[in-house]
Amino acid sequence: GAVVSQHPSWVICKSGTSVKIECRSLDFQATTMFWYRQFPKQSLMLMATSNEGSKATYEQGVEKDKFLINHASLTLSTLTVTSAHPEDSSFYICSARGGGELGNTIYFGEGSWLTVV
Amino acid sequence: DAKTTQPTSMDCAEGRAANLPCNHSTISGNEYVYWYRQIHSQGPQYIIHGLKNNETNEMASLIITEDRKSSTLILPHATLRDTAVYYCIVRAPAGGTSYGKLTFGQGTILTVHP
Repeated sequence: GAVVSQHPSWVICKSGTSVKIECRSLDFQATTMFWYRQFPKQSLMLMATSNEGSKATYEQGVEKDKFLINHASLTLSTLTVTSAHPEDSSFYICSARGGGELGNTIYFGEGSWLTVV
Repeated sequence: DAKTTQPTSMDCAEGRAANLPCNHSTISGNEYVYWYRQIHSQGPQYIIHGLKNNETNEMASLIITEDRKSSTLILPHATLRDTAVYYCIVRAPAGGTSYGKLTFGQGTILTVHP
């Protein structure tokens, strides 16, 4: 099946710094990607929809200036957490929707653990 | 997307069938039922999806009632590695503005024990 890969799997950063997480579709072109956040013992919460070549659409309550999303190609979307604080520590997960035959199924990356100290 | 209701947790003995129910009474006629699972500290894994007919693949079977208001995911021979949170999701049809967005509920924590 389709493969979506995230990098890094985990990252520790200092408070106030920025960190970038990559989401790649490895064997298909993803016109749309989605970013989720998951806190411990909670379900996944959609943060934003990333469309190739256009601005991301953010869910209500998600700060677009803090969580920068770039979808510069059909296989790569990046999430940058700017000026990270300890409360941004979470599990960040991306998903991708391909076109054509893969269009009816959404595939998820392995997730990226962010710890801000 | 239609809201789904799942039991909070279920237990199953290893080797037995695990039957996970899901209610989606407000589902629209063109919305699909999707099942994903999430093993601890990993991204969700796609299991199966269906519209009206029952579906089967190498992982599981999906039984959808005739009125489409509920469904059951069946793991025919559960193993310890099937212990995970299982999410039942009703998805907007293709072409809609929210196509591809998945709204996750709390899911069912399935524990498979020896």
